[in-house]
Amino acid sequence: QVQLQESGPGLVKPSQTLSLTCTVSGGSISSGEFFWSWIRQPPGKGLEWIGHIHYRGSTYYNPSLKSRVTISVDTSKNQFSLSLSSVTAADTAVYYCARWRDYGGYNWFDPWGQGTLVTISS
Amino acid sequence: DIQMTQAPSSLSASVGDRVTITCRASQTISNYLYWYQEKRGKAPNLLIYAASRLQSGVPSRFSGSGSGTEFTLTISSLQPEDSATYYCQQSYSTPPYTFGQGTKLEIK
Repeated sequence: QVQLQESGPGLVKPSQTLSLTCTVSGGSISSGEFFWSWIRQPPGKGLEWIGHIHYRGSTYYNPSLKSRVTISVDTSKNQFSLSLSSVTAADTAVYYCARWRDYGGYNWFDPWGQGTLVTISS
Repeated sequence: DIQMTQAPSSLSASVGDRVTITCRASQTISNYLYWYQEKRGKAPNLLIYAASRLQSGVPSRFSGSGSGTEFTLTISSLQPEDSATYYCQQSYSTPPYTFGQGTKLEIK
């Protein structure tokens, strides 16, 4: 059973770069049918899809964040990572990683990691 | 972007009650609609895909319906372990994939 676990700093200073890693266990990140996603949830707000990556390197980003986001993959470590630059307090959120699948044109996120809270503050 | 609006934002119900949560899309999304359950401190869990198909392992008291712009998640007989926040998500057309704001369900 595939499991995902986020890791990274819980506190980042404004204007710096937020960096998180998601470790995949119980399955290979190189499974061609899946993409690997980042999703976030600011306190008191809804879920926001950030973007995702295929193990071969294809990436898709939310246009609202595209200028600041980079998602990368390390197949040797079975991990993928998120980098979000020039952060502000508005980037404070619980960040989730999740597996995205395409099933006959239907696309959903399953499973998810438990999420990690990142606070942007000086 | 397609906006997803859930109602109600929170509700309280008793064990055994029938509970319905609604999700409305800002434009038609056919049946590209999914429901997730998020329990406190746990990872969100897929319940329903393609608007009405039950994910493997999900209890049959959960069901989904709808097409176009109006969708519902129904719990036929509420159980104590169903206390959670429920989210809808759409995947119609191109990204970004968008979610509803969530419905917090409390057991009386």
